[in-house]
Amino acid sequence: AQTVTQSQPEMSVQEAETVTLSCTYDTSENNYYLFWYKQPPSRQMILVIRQEAYKQQNATENRFSVNFQKAAKSFSLKISDSQLGDTAMYFCAFDSGGSNYKLTFGKGTLLTVNP
Amino acid sequence: KAGVTQTPRYLIKTRGQQVTLSCSPISGHRSVSWYQQTPGQGLQFLFEYFSETQRNKGNFPGRFSGRQFSNSRSEMNVSTLELGDSALYLCASSLDVRPSGDEQFFGPGTRLTVL
Repeated sequence: AQTVTQSQPEMSVQEAETVTLSCTYDTSENNYYLFWYKQPPSRQMILVIRQEAYKQQNATENRFSVNFQKAAKSFSLKISDSQLGDTAMYFCAFDSGGSNYKLTFGKGTLLTVNP
Repeated sequence: KAGVTQTPRYLIKTRGQQVTLSCSPISGHRSVSWYQQTPGQGLQFLFEYFSETQRNKGNFPGRFSGRQFSNSRSEMNVSTLELGDSALYLCASSLDVRPSGDEQFFGPGTRLTVL
C-alpha cells in the first residue's frame, strides 16, 4: 500500500522569505503522479502544483516549485517570497496510476506566514 | 464555470441516524471522489464514481455507500451513524477516469457532527 509522510506538522515563515515543506512516499509503482494541495482556513482545497513521475524536470508554478527525488521517494515543496495568503494547510498527495488507484494524502503541514 | 458544490454545508445528527450528502461536480466532469477529513486521520479516500459506476473504494465499513447519477451528480450515504463519523466530507471532481493524473477540484465540504 502506498503511504505519504509529511514530517512537519507545523511550520512558520516570515513574509517574503522562502520555506520548504517536506514529503516522502512509499510505493512500488514506477509511473505515478504527485501533488501538493493547499487548504486555506475555512476555504476549499486547491491544487498548488503537480509532478509526473516519469518527468525528470521539477515542476514550477510561479513562486511554487518542487524538488522531486524519485530514487529517494521525496517530493518537497518550496515557496519563495512567502505571502500572507500562503497561510494554509498543505497536503502532499500521491496518485499511483495503477489498477487499484486512489489519491493518498499525507497528514498535512500547517504553514503560517507571519508579517 | 461553477465549481464543485456540496449540500448541505453543515449537518447535525444523532447516533443511529442516517445521512445523505450531495455533490454536484463541475460541468463536464465525469469522475467524482469522496473523502473524509478528520483531525486525527487526515484525509481518507472513501470511493470514486465514474459514469454511474463505483470504480474504487477505500477502507470504510459498509455503512458508507454512494451512487452517481447520469448527470454525474453524486450522493453518499452513511447509515447507523457513530460518533466517530463526525468529520468534514469532501467531494472532488475531475474530467476523466483516473488514473490519469488529472487535477481534482474540491468542493467546500459538508461538516457532519454526530451527537
